[in-house]
Amino acid sequence: AQTVTQSQPEMSVQEAETVTLSCTYDTSENNYYLFWYKQPPSRQMILVIRQEAYKQQNATENRFSVNFQKAAKSFSLKISDSQLGDTAMYFCAFMNTNAGKSTFGDGTTLTVKP
Amino acid sequence: GAVVSQHPSWVICKSGTSVKIECRSLDFQATTMFWYRQFPKQSLMLMATSNEGSKATYEQGVEKDKFLINHASLTLSTLTVTSAHPEDSSFYICSASPLPREFASTDTQYFGPGTRLTVL
Repeated sequence: AQTVTQSQPEMSVQEAETVTLSCTYDTSENNYYLFWYKQPPSRQMILVIRQEAYKQQNATENRFSVNFQKAAKSFSLKISDSQLGDTAMYFCAFMNTNAGKSTFGDGTTLTVKP
Repeated sequence: GAVVSQHPSWVICKSGTSVKIECRSLDFQATTMFWYRQFPKQSLMLMATSNEGSKATYEQGVEKDKFLINHASLTLSTLTVTSAHPEDSSFYICSASPLPREFASTDTQYFGPGTRLTVL
């Protein structure tokens, strides 16, 4: 079974600065997907970024980028130029391409301070 | 694209009654939908995988007779909490994965806004 670990329950960052959220996972699979989801106070889960395991290039989406280290089974999220609207709970998730279902980490609550 | 709705967004019911929650994919078809439960400030716990036209697959520890799932079409899955009790109070979230070729990222789950259930 896959496991996803987010070792930072809470983090804070000043507006306009950069913050990195950590995620490690454990799997014996070779083909899979990794995701970062954002859950603001509204509790709507929003896809932030997606990474295919077979791709060596790190995914980027505007201010969001990942550092994917497949051998180390690490998948961290970097948020640049943090904005107040980035305040949310962030979940790292693993999805096996065959099973289709996802395993989520426990989440990191990020607070962006003005 | 890739919008998932849930209805109702919140519901309060008396203990012993049944509650039905609908999950719809509005602009895509999905053969697979997932149902999660989330307690405050905790992670999402997968309850079951809903497959169109077949029986749902429940995770270990989830009571099949308590949480009835029906996936009658490619755009609708329902979760019925039968004989609800206060311990069933929670936030229920569904997600759906598009059929292949509908979107480039078919191996992605899109989430509904969730349903807050309170059982008195």
